[in-house]
Amino acid sequence: KNQVEQSPQSLIILEGKNCTLQCNYTVSPFSNLRWYKQDTGRGPVSLTIMTFSENTKSNGRYTATLDADTKQSSLHITASQLSDSASYICVVSGAAGNKLTFGGGTRVLVKP
Amino acid sequence: KAGVTQTPRYLIKTRGQQVTLSCSPISGHRSVSWYQQTPGQGLQFLFEYFSETQRNKGNFPGRFSGRQFSNSRSEMNVSTLELGDSALYLCASRPDSRSYNSPLHFGNGTRLTVT
Repeated sequence: KNQVEQSPQSLIILEGKNCTLQCNYTVSPFSNLRWYKQDTGRGPVSLTIMTFSENTKSNGRYTATLDADTKQSSLHITASQLSDSASYICVVSGAAGNKLTFGGGTRVLVKP
Repeated sequence: KAGVTQTPRYLIKTRGQQVTLSCSPISGHRSVSWYQQTPGQGLQFLFEYFSETQRNKGNFPGRFSGRQFSNSRSEMNVSTLELGDSALYLCASRPDSRSYNSPLHFGNGTRLTVT
């Protein structure tokens, strides 16, 4: 069964600090892996998309890594800001990219 | 460019009723997909439409249906509402159903509460 597991479920960090979110998946075959940020009461917004051949991609202070061999991805947030408080969702596309499996998300709270 | 627009933003319905939700994709986007988001189950795929045809379907009962119009706008219908249907319903668009490596553009959802 295709699954995407995210950890931790939630975390609290101080403004200015870094943090790393984890995503492990069992989706096969693999097409791409996406990270989305979802603010409370809003729809998810795409941060990064990585295909099999890419192992790192950045979007401002967000850096995603992918290890397709171990089926693991991480999202690193550098110098966190209060606006980073949100849920971060890992999404894996299966065969032909038309079958999406969602992780349960990690809720991040940045405190001043 | 305007984003994905979903209406209404909030909806309260009673068990047994039916509901129709609307989604207008980004101009030029022809693929529209629908998702249910609940605290317990997270985001779950409902179905995807492209050129007025359903291309993919998730594991939801037949009470959940949708359609897409020639202008790419889409509607989702839930009949015989149950308490468990209370959720945030999200719509997303992308240029076409084969743009696998392009991001989904989500609307801000319709919050449905069933009492």
